[in-house]
Amino acid sequence: QSVLTQPPSASGTPGQKVTISCSGGSSNVGSNRVNWYQQLPGMAPKLLIYSNNQRPSGVPDRFSGSKSGTSASLAISGLQSEDEADYYCAAWDDRLNGAVFGGGTQLTVL
Amino acid sequence: QITLKESGPTLVKPTQTLTLTCTFSGFSLTTSGVGVGWIRQPPGKALEWLALIYWDDDQHYSPSLKSRLTITKDTSKNQVVLTMTNIDPVDTATYFCAHIGLRGEYDYWGQGTLVTVSS
Repeated sequence: QSVLTQPPSASGTPGQKVTISCSGGSSNVGSNRVNWYQQLPGMAPKLLIYSNNQRPSGVPDRFSGSKSGTSASLAISGLQSEDEADYYCAAWDDRLNGAVFGGGTQLTVL
Repeated sequence: QITLKESGPTLVKPTQTLTLTCTFSGFSLTTSGVGVGWIRQPPGKALEWLALIYWDDDQHYSPSLKSRLTITKDTSKNQVVLTMTNIDPVDTATYFCAHIGLRGEYDYWGQGTLVTVSS
């Protein structure tokens, strides 16, 4: 049972926009920055979004993040087949005094 | 550029102690604000944060594993070591180390090392 709650799966067709949610609480998402990671099959995770809505260099602007209260979202527009991966949100938890990850969302491009 | 690589045993017997080493380059753990964390992923399951250590030796552990984990750094060798005691088959996972950026993001990851716990 992950501290941050994500839908286990999401899907879309090429070109569509998909949104993945991440629900937490006041001690994590509500008071700290949220980061998003993309994990392609068999690969290490890759930082996709940091500080709620910032993209590292090299990440396409099709990927965007937002946060409101104790929930965060990752949006992928112009969906492409190479976006098929697992996506994880993460944040620091002040109560646990450690980092917490969501359970991950498996994105399928139909 | 920043790179990290995990190393350690691939097979460990139950009750033994697991020692994993993260060897990195491209940054120094003597630089203010810099940290290294460990994250694991059981086969087919989600990422689980384990521990981190900062340049000033500040350490944080997953509450559920705190009694079994120790994280240390060797700045002269550019290494971070994670030890886990009393290993169990449920600890079978790929273990990743990662560089922690200035805003707490895990911005560079190692390739991971698969550790299987079995008698």
